[in-house]
Parts: sequence; C-alpha cells; structure tokens
Amino acid sequence: NAGVTQTPKFQVLKTGQSMTLQCAQDMNHNSMYWYRQDPGMGLRLIYYSASEGTTDKGEVPNGYNVSRLNKREFSLRLESAAPSQTSVYFCASNVGTGGTDTQYFGPGTRLTVL
Amino acid sequence: AQSVTQLGSHVSVSEGALVLLRCNYSSSVPPYLFWYVQYPNQGLQLLLKYTSAATLVKGINGFEAEFKKSETSFHLTKPSAHMSDAAEYFCAVSGPRLTGGGNKLTFGTGTQLKVEL
Repeated sequence: NAGVTQTPKFQVLKTGQSMTLQCAQDMNHNSMYWYRQDPGMGLRLIYYSASEGTTDKGEVPNGYNVSRLNKREFSLRLESAAPSQTSVYFCASNVGTGGTDTQYFGPGTRLTVL
Repeated sequence: AQSVTQLGSHVSVSEGALVLLRCNYSSSVPPYLFWYVQYPNQGLQLLLKYTSAATLVKGINGFEAEFKKSETSFHLTKPSAHMSDAAEYFCAVSGPRLTGGGNKLTFGTGTQLKVEL
C-alpha cells in the first residue's frame, strides 16, 4: 500500500515551458487535492476533485489546469510556466465524506522555473 | 471565512524540555482542527485531529492538543522533546465542505521546531 505517490520528485523548467505533475493514490479515496507550499505561506489549495469526473478551483488556480483521469489519478498541468510558479507541489487525497476526513499527502514535487 | 494563526515561525527547545506550539483559529461554525508534521523533504503527516468528540486529543509520537473554545486555541504540546521531533508543524482548520464533497483545509504558516542538545 503506497498511499499517495507523486512524479517527478524534482523538476527544473524554463519560463514558458509546460509540464504535467502526476499523482496517484491506492486507498480508494474519492477526493483528491493539489496544493502549493511557499515559504512563510503554509499550503494553499490550487484545485481539487471531489469525485471522479469532477474538478473545481481552489484559492490559487491561475496558471494551472487539472485532470481527474480516473479514481486513482489526478494530474496538474502548467501550460506556460512562470517563475512565480516555483514552489513545492503536494497532492493529497481523502475519502471525501466530511469535514473530519484526514487528508493524506504525497511526498511532493519540487519545481523551479527559471 | 475560516483561518488559523500560528504564533512563532521558529521555536527552539532543549532535548527533554516541554514543547508548546501555538495555534489560534477563527471560524464561524464549530471547527474541525488538525495538526500535521512535515519532516525535511517529505510530505505532511497527520499528528492528531479534533473532531468535537473530546477536547483533549492525543496523537502520535507523544503529542497532544487541547481544544479551548473560550480561547479559540488548539495548542500542540509534548512533555519531553526528542531530537527526532525537529520538523515543521502545521495547524489547519477544515471547512467549508467543498462542492460535490471533500473538505477544504486552511493551513497556518507553520512553526519550525528545533531541538537542541
């Protein structure tokens, strides 16, 4: 049982390049989330998917798109990377039935945009 | 809107000393509160959570937190710090329920705990 996995672990991009961050969970969770972590700012929600087939914007969605490929996988795409998107990106998942549900986090992707 | 404030971005304690990490919340509805720990270059791991069942919540690795409604606080404590406790700690509040299901976590800015010999 791997939990939440993310690829790649590290990535360096040039401004304007595109890339997709991959996330998969093997816990049969309904809901999945993408966060970014910046120094001194905690984690901020980019996009989420409450269930397979649905996606919605979080608090900082600009410059990103997502795809819920199936129940297991939720990808985050940067179409034209900007230096402001240099961050650590975390994927999380939970059962999605209520406010007490624990979110389980992946190990993160460290992205640098030059 | 719900929010949490973590006082002290850096806390330093001696090994064996009491650990106290502060978290105050703001919520218009009864909150669900979480403490997560992040070790260097890793993801976040749940330490404990308050779900209104009991005001004193015990978590992993000897940590506990007490929900105090009158003080709008959910401070994290551990009686005796260990070197392995050095990490960053995040307080978070859950809500509101997201469209279609799931829950939004709003995180504090984190407290870096340093444990010295």
